[in-house]
Amino acid sequence: AQSVTQLDSQVPVFEEAPVELRCNYSSSVSVYLFWYVQYPNQGLQLLLKYLSGSTLVKGINGFEAEFNKSQTSFHLRKPSVHISDTAEYFCAVSELNTDKLIFGTGTRLQVFP
Amino acid sequence: DAGITQSPRHKVTETGTPVTLRCHQTENHRYMYWYRQDPGHGLRLIHYSYGVKDTDKGEVSDGYSVSRSKTEDFLLTLESATSSQTSVYFCAISESGEKLFFGSGTQLSVL
Repeated sequence: AQSVTQLDSQVPVFEEAPVELRCNYSSSVSVYLFWYVQYPNQGLQLLLKYLSGSTLVKGINGFEAEFNKSQTSFHLRKPSVHISDTAEYFCAVSELNTDKLIFGTGTRLQVFP
Repeated sequence: DAGITQSPRHKVTETGTPVTLRCHQTENHRYMYWYRQDPGHGLRLIHYSYGVKDTDKGEVSDGYSVSRSKTEDFLLTLESATSSQTSVYFCAISESGEKLFFGSGTQLSVL
C-alpha cells in the first residue's frame, strides 16, 4: 500500500526567503503525486500534480515541485515566499489504476515579515 | 468553485448516538470521498465511492458506514458516535481520481 511522509510538521521562514517542503512516498508501483494547500478555515485546493512526463512541475502561486523516482521524493519549492503563503501544505499519492488518494500529515508553513 | 455542499457545517452530539453527515454535489462527478482531519494525522481516508452503490473502505473505516444511492449524494454515518470521532470531516469529489475538489468541512464534536 502507498504511504506519504512529510518529515517537517512546521516550517518557519521570513518573507522573500526561499522555501522547500519535503515529501517522500513509498509504493511498489507507479504513482501520481500531488500537493494541496489549505488556508485557515478552508478546504484543500490543488497546488500542482505530477502524472507523467517532465519531472519538474509548476503550479499556482509560483510553487514548483520535482519528482525524483530514485529518491521517491516530491519536494515542493518556492524561490521567494509571501505572507499570504502562510498555510498548511499536504503531499498526497495515488497509485496508478486505483481511486484512492492518500495524504501526508501536512506541513505548516509560517511566513514572517 | 466545484459545487460541493456539506451539511451540517457544525454538530455537537453525545457519545452513543448515531450521526449522519451529508455531502451533496452538483458536478455529476463519479468519485466521492470522506476524509477526517486531525492534528498530527493530516487527512485520512474513511470511505470512498466510485459510482452509485459502489463504495470501498479507506484507512480508518471502523465505526463508519457510507451510502450512495444517487450520484449527487454521499452519506457518512457514525453508527454509535465516540469521543475519538471528534474531528473535522471533509467530503471531496473527482471525475477521474486525479484532482479532488473539497467541501468546506463539517466540525463534529462528540461529548
